[in-house]
Amino acid sequence: QVQLVQSEAEMKKPGASVKVSCKTSGYIFSSESINWVRQAPGQGLEWMGWSSGYNDNKEYAEKFQGRLTMTTDTSTSTAYMELMNLRSDDTAIYYCARERVNTDGLRNDFWGQGTPVTVSS
Amino acid sequence: AIQMTQSPSSLSASVGDRVTITCRASQGIRNNLGWYQQKPGKAPRLLIFSTSTLQSGVPSRFSGSGSGTDFSLTISSLQPEDFATYYCLQDYSFPRTFGQGTKVEV
Repeated sequence: QVQLVQSEAEMKKPGASVKVSCKTSGYIFSSESINWVRQAPGQGLEWMGWSSGYNDNKEYAEKFQGRLTMTTDTSTSTAYMELMNLRSDDTAIYYCARERVNTDGLRNDFWGQGTPVTVSS
Repeated sequence: AIQMTQSPSSLSASVGDRVTITCRASQGIRNNLGWYQQKPGKAPRLLIFSTSTLQSGVPSRFSGSGSGTDFSLTISSLQPEDFATYYCLQDYSFPRTFGQGTKVEV
């Protein structure tokens, strides 16, 4: 069965970087893409970026340009999200989601469990 | 970026009620819209994609409709497990954008 398992919670100081992993299983990693979404405490869902599973294409939300890097390791079927120069308002739960596309359409059908990231001095 | 305006932001309902949530896109997105349910402390769960396609395993009381700029999610008979927050997401273009969410509560 399809699973996305994320890395554990992180606590960081302002100005530091955090790298969250999303290990996938149960499907061909290179056939689908990954979206990263975050949710600040008590707030809604915010899309951060997308990385293709089959080539090096990536899309980032403008607000994260220059601070966000998404990478993939096809040998371990793992996606990574690194956010740099952290601020207190980056405190959130970070989710990865598999984006599947077929003749039925496009959807984020499987999600990781979420990785809480706390930024505090 | 395409803006998604979701309404209402919250609603009170009872078990058995018919509930409708709407999303309006700032420009046409064809049928590229999904609906997600989120319960406290949990990851979002896909309910509907491509406007009206029910995800496998999702109860048939959930349905979606719309096209272009106006979309809706309907729960035909609200069940106790349906009290949650619902989000729309446009996947027509980048950046992807979510609606602000609708909290369905008692």
